[in-house]
Amino acid sequence: GAGVSQSPRYKVAKRGQDVALRCDPISGHVSLFWYQQALGQGPEFLTYFQNEAQLDKSGLPSDRFFAERPEGSVSTLKIQRTQQEDSAVYLCASSFLETQYFGPGTRLLVL
Amino acid sequence: TQLLEQSPQFLSIQEGENLTVYCNSSSVFSSLQWYRQEPGEGPVLLVTVVTGGEVKKLKRLTFQFGDARKDSSLHITAAQPGDTGLYLCAGARTSGTYKYIFGTGTRLKVLA
Repeated sequence: GAGVSQSPRYKVAKRGQDVALRCDPISGHVSLFWYQQALGQGPEFLTYFQNEAQLDKSGLPSDRFFAERPEGSVSTLKIQRTQQEDSAVYLCASSFLETQYFGPGTRLLVL
Repeated sequence: TQLLEQSPQFLSIQEGENLTVYCNSSSVFSSLQWYRQEPGEGPVLLVTVVTGGEVKKLKRLTFQFGDARKDSSLHITAAQPGDTGLYLCAGARTSGTYKYIFGTGTRLKVLA
């Protein structure tokens, strides 16, 4: 596949559960982004990686959110002790130059 | 908190009509992008504008960046059902930055 892929596509979690969301970027893309998109809103920046280095995590809403990209390719966004307000679509994007290519997102529902 | 306000929030029109979507801010942006997002998919980049007053055309879509680089518009001529989707603008505050701030979105529905 040539595009960005994300898994799972849908995740239902009970409040307090930990979840892990995976992103497979386009091969060779150095930059990787995570965004949170609430229903009916535009995406909000969470964090940015250049290769394996997390250069900006200013958008992570709390210390329950953690992201990693250990080998500079696949990335995982982990949310610990999920809360209902974490329900949203989590989008991953990888970029070449100024163009960001988005994956289809993971829709997280916390009950 | 989103610095880019889009209007209208929702728009439902008949096939063949023209429409304009606005993206406004009190901040200056070094560049601005427009995306379209369909249900269950991620946003897809349509265009990037970088110069104040710049106009770009993409088939029936015309994008304009305001002279002061604080606002932008997207005009669609003779809308088609395939234009249905969520339109998002996204601005970069500084040149060469990786960080784009997304607008609030305009949900367009074109009826056949």
